[in-house]
Amino acid sequence: GESVGLHLPTLSVQEGDNSIINCAYSNSASDYFIWYKQESGKGPQFIIDIRSNMDKRQGQRVTVLLNKTVKHLSLQIAATQPGDSAVYFCAENTGGGADGLTFGKGTHLIIQP
Amino acid sequence: NAGVMQNPRHLVRRRGQEARLRCSPMKGHSHVYWYRQLPEEGLKFMVYLQKENIIDESGMPKERFSAEFPKEGPSILRIQQVVRGDSAAYFCASSPGTGRTGELFFGEGSRLTVL
Repeated sequence: GESVGLHLPTLSVQEGDNSIINCAYSNSASDYFIWYKQESGKGPQFIIDIRSNMDKRQGQRVTVLLNKTVKHLSLQIAATQPGDSAVYFCAENTGGGADGLTFGKGTHLIIQP
Repeated sequence: NAGVMQNPRHLVRRRGQEARLRCSPMKGHSHVYWYRQLPEEGLKFMVYLQKENIIDESGMPKERFSAEFPKEGPSILRIQQVVRGDSAAYFCASSPGTGRTGELFFGEGSRLTVL
């Protein structure tokens, strides 16, 4: 299944289907982006990252796409499994004084059997 | 290889008490970040510290909140005179260098409940 629109709080997909989670980032000067996965009651866990000089990066079952023109980031998860159920956050390094990461609101991915 | 260690994992305080949250970064990491997460929300940056220095505290409330990262020992986030609105999960993250070009490694969080 695909997400409908940006900032969708919940995305429900069938086990085995592909899922796409979208994120709009805020700062055109951001040069580094990360997707984190957060399971209930746990801390965020790194999934994949991408730098601004790339538009696509692939990992194991995951792909991140970066569109700098419209400041859009997406995470594609192939052949979803029950263990993929979690909240997914995109984060950007906006630079400036924080020198850390600014997180988006998150999308709750639910995998249905 | 121990990850980022936070304690306590759960803390209950009554209004007006103090809360102290501790964070030991990953081995070899000298940069520590604190984030706050309210239920069903994202993580909000609070403070960024290096050993014995606060680098950026722009996300920290001006009153009642303080953070330190001493030369020896863990980083501590201290909340004085807690109020119900302080109830949240507080996450610590560490990195080996500046976070500008790298990943942050998160702990499992400390969940503060204010009664």
